[in-house]
Amino acid sequence: DIQMTQSPSSLSASVGDRVTITCRASQGISNNLAWFQQKPGVAPKSLIAAASSLQSGVPSKFSGSGSGTDFTLTISSLQPEDFATYYCQQYHIYPLTFGGGTKVEIK
Amino acid sequence: EVQLVESGGGLVQPGGSLRLSCAASGFTLSNYAMNWVRQAPGKGLKWVSSISGSGGSGGTYYTDSVKGRFTISRDNSMNTLYLQMNSLTAEDTAIYYCARSDLGDYWGQGTLVTVSS
Repeated sequence: DIQMTQSPSSLSASVGDRVTITCRASQGISNNLAWFQQKPGVAPKSLIAAASSLQSGVPSKFSGSGSGTDFTLTISSLQPEDFATYYCQQYHIYPLTFGGGTKVEIK
Repeated sequence: EVQLVESGGGLVQPGGSLRLSCAASGFTLSNYAMNWVRQAPGKGLKWVSSISGSGGSGGTYYTDSVKGRFTISRDNSMNTLYLQMNSLTAEDTAIYYCARSDLGDYWGQGTLVTVSS
């Protein structure tokens, strides 16, 4: 199975900060990586697919990059509605696997 | 508008069975791979099972912990995805989400399964 390692597991940031979350795959997955945002009590929401393609309706403050084994999700200017948990997921091969999540909290 | 609505969750005793449903609208279910993902209380997301779309192999896939106990299927005429869950244990307690395609572009709201005596 491909292991997905996210870091950090949590971070504290202020409104307006630039935030970067990393995701590392235990083997190469090309660009078959998705990012999700989840708020408490709500289903996950798709932000990015194919490592860097923004899903429809997702604001451009979110961006993704990477290929192979190393990936990043960046939020350019953190807003109150962005405080949530973020997950990466590889869909290169079954079993599909998720990272452990990064909880973004208010400083 | 794409919508996925799960149902069928509830409280079940260890060893019992449940069948989850995921009613799809706004797209043709058979054209897409579909997935079940679960989230235990306070924990992260875990993939459970997938079924290929019509353009794929038609295959089904399962995480090791549910192989032989869970069965994914779909009724294309009803545009509905199912997850039959047998021999349930406390470790299966979670919110179960259905998600469209392997990249998870749309998710349902989830249905809670609680396995407890």
